[in-house]
Amino acid sequence: ETGVTQSPTHLIKTRGQQVTLRCSSQSGHNTVSWYQQALGQGPQFIFQYYREEENGRGNFPPRFSGLQFPNYSSELNVNALELDDSALYLCASSKPQVFNSYNEQFFGPGTRLTVL
Amino acid sequence: DQQVKQNSPSLSVQEGRISILNCDYTNSMFDYFLWYKKYPAEGPTFLISISSIKDKNEDGRFTVFLNKSAKHLSLHIVPSQPGDSAVYFCAAFTVNRDDKIIFGKGTRLHILP
Repeated sequence: ETGVTQSPTHLIKTRGQQVTLRCSSQSGHNTVSWYQQALGQGPQFIFQYYREEENGRGNFPPRFSGLQFPNYSSELNVNALELDDSALYLCASSKPQVFNSYNEQFFGPGTRLTVL
Repeated sequence: DQQVKQNSPSLSVQEGRISILNCDYTNSMFDYFLWYKKYPAEGPTFLISISSIKDKNEDGRFTVFLNKSAKHLSLHIVPSQPGDSAVYFCAAFTVNRDDKIIFGKGTRLHILP
């Protein structure tokens, strides 16, 4: 069983540029969540995608957007990059939701984004 | 406003002894509390969880205790092993609220030989 994979591993961009990060979910998982982990902080929820639609969003501006594809893989797009966007971006996938229970989220290794 | 707080950035424990990692929270609506473990260059991996209606959950060397009145939980690792050296995140989750997991800042655990 293949786990959650993310690409690229590392990325360097300059302020004002745009970036796309990619995530392949674990087999059998139809839900993908994205998190931003700044240095010295815990992961912060950006948004979640379920069946190709956004299913919840954290406190991030609209320049953070995403997509989910029919094979449940996902992209995170960030426009007009700012220095504070430098962070580790984590993707997590989970199984089809079961009402009133916790669905374990399985994390990928992350993409380290540096904005200069 | 941090809803999940881990006030100890780091902790050093002798191999074989008990490691106790602490966590406080402010939101009484959380349904589950989670502990994740993270090694460098890897994503967080789920370790153990506890429902808000329980006060203890045990899985091998790992036990999580929940004190709802104090809004406090702790993770006990007994005995501590060298492979336990990692960053531990306390996290919380409200069922059917977009599956958003709220993480603390983490505690780096060093197991000393």
